[in-house]
Amino acid sequence: RKEVEQDPGPFNVPEGATVAFNCTYSNSASQSFFWYRQDCRKEPKLLMSVYSSGNEDGRFTAQLNRASQYISLLIRDSKLSDSATYLCVVNGDQGGKLIFGQGTELSVKP
Amino acid sequence: DTEVTQTPKHLVMGMTNKKSLKCEQHMGHRAMYWYKQKAKKPPELMFVYSYEKLSINESVPSRFSPECPNSSLLNLHLHALQPEDSALYLCASSPFAGSTDTQYFGPGTRLTVL
Repeated sequence: RKEVEQDPGPFNVPEGATVAFNCTYSNSASQSFFWYRQDCRKEPKLLMSVYSSGNEDGRFTAQLNRASQYISLLIRDSKLSDSATYLCVVNGDQGGKLIFGQGTELSVKP
Repeated sequence: DTEVTQTPKHLVMGMTNKKSLKCEQHMGHRAMYWYKQKAKKPPELMFVYSYEKLSINESVPSRFSPECPNSSLLNLHLHALQPEDSALYLCASSPFAGSTDTQYFGPGTRLTVL
């Protein structure tokens, strides 16, 4: 079993759609959870950290379920500019080590 | 300012060449990282430096040699690389090498080994 698993994608959605990404992690001792986005041929950029109580940033909502070891990202009212690969990231067992999921590609069409 | 800079942006080298990748951050971060990323794959951790000391080496071949001259700079020296080493090399930094610290990535160096 992979340490961090994401929906394989790609997701192709029309503008204005709501899209949800799911992610599971295997290490129950994990403490930190992030969503990064990566545009084609660019570096990963932090989209948001994920907190136990859930958190929202504009059109983006992240949820964490520690009991199920599950993380989600909801994007409402999708924009063309949301097209990117979304990476679910969890801290590893050594300081500074991050474990990346394989990424889910999102394509928002007009 | 959450900026990490990397030079060069692109690098083409032969298998017998020696070259270096450079990374710089001025955020006062005490942890810096090298990652390798192949197309359609997530970044893979190579090295972690914490307080200018190497703290993690993910069993990287010795043809990759990291160096941290000071808290703002991180180099990756390359020697006798193979074509399969062609990839995007990403540098990142974080305040500390802790489990809760957010890592900020530089734009990467796209390396082609001929």
